[in-house]
Amino acid sequence: DTAVSQTPKYLVTQMGNDKSIKCEQNLGHDTMYWYKQDSKKFLKIMFSYNNKELIINETVPNRFSPKSPDKAHLNLHINSLELGDSAVYFCASSQDRLIRTGLHRGYTFGSGTRLTVV
Amino acid sequence: DQQVKQNSPSLSVQEGRISILNCDYTNSMFDYFLWYKKYPAEGPTFLISISSIKDKNEDGRFTVFLNKSAKHLSLHIVPSQPGDSAVYFCAASFRPRLQGAQKLVFGQGTRLTINP
Repeated sequence: DTAVSQTPKYLVTQMGNDKSIKCEQNLGHDTMYWYKQDSKKFLKIMFSYNNKELIINETVPNRFSPKSPDKAHLNLHINSLELGDSAVYFCASSQDRLIRTGLHRGYTFGSGTRLTVV
Repeated sequence: DQQVKQNSPSLSVQEGRISILNCDYTNSMFDYFLWYKKYPAEGPTFLISISSIKDKNEDGRFTVFLNKSAKHLSLHIVPSQPGDSAVYFCAASFRPRLQGAQKLVFGQGTRLTINP
């Protein structure tokens, strides 16, 4: 009964390959996110979807494409993987209505996907 | 341009004593500040938050203090317990456009170790 689940947990792949990371939340939240934790340990937002609509798209290479088939899922597809893509990727979700009313508990995060490009 | 900074990468505290984790920010548009706790191989989990209109919020052993004039917040844990050993992330949220999405900006974390 995991709230936000990501698969796979670990991913090792060669440069140039295409890979996907899947994320699902069973909390009934309306907004989902992808964050990247880089080598300096900063957690930086990449994308945000609200009810399947892209609402935040930070400066991320076009090789990264999020896809939200429904509001419980937000997958991340990466084309032509590069060495610099190696990082831990976290999926998260939130109920935007609660945040607007001041019941701010931030986001619920998945356990992360450690991507290693060799 | 890092808007939220945690300048101490690590902190070591004796069990039973007070742990104080610090965080500085630059964006005056932030409306909420949050602390997250992260164990290895797990995602960050919410710990405590504070609205920008308050200066203190307390929840059990955890208290967050906000000094808006200094753009500084801190998390106090007292008494510290071995299970508190984790990485603590400071985060701040704001809504760039009135009806737009909330954005959560994180610091780089502080690794807290509680020694028996």
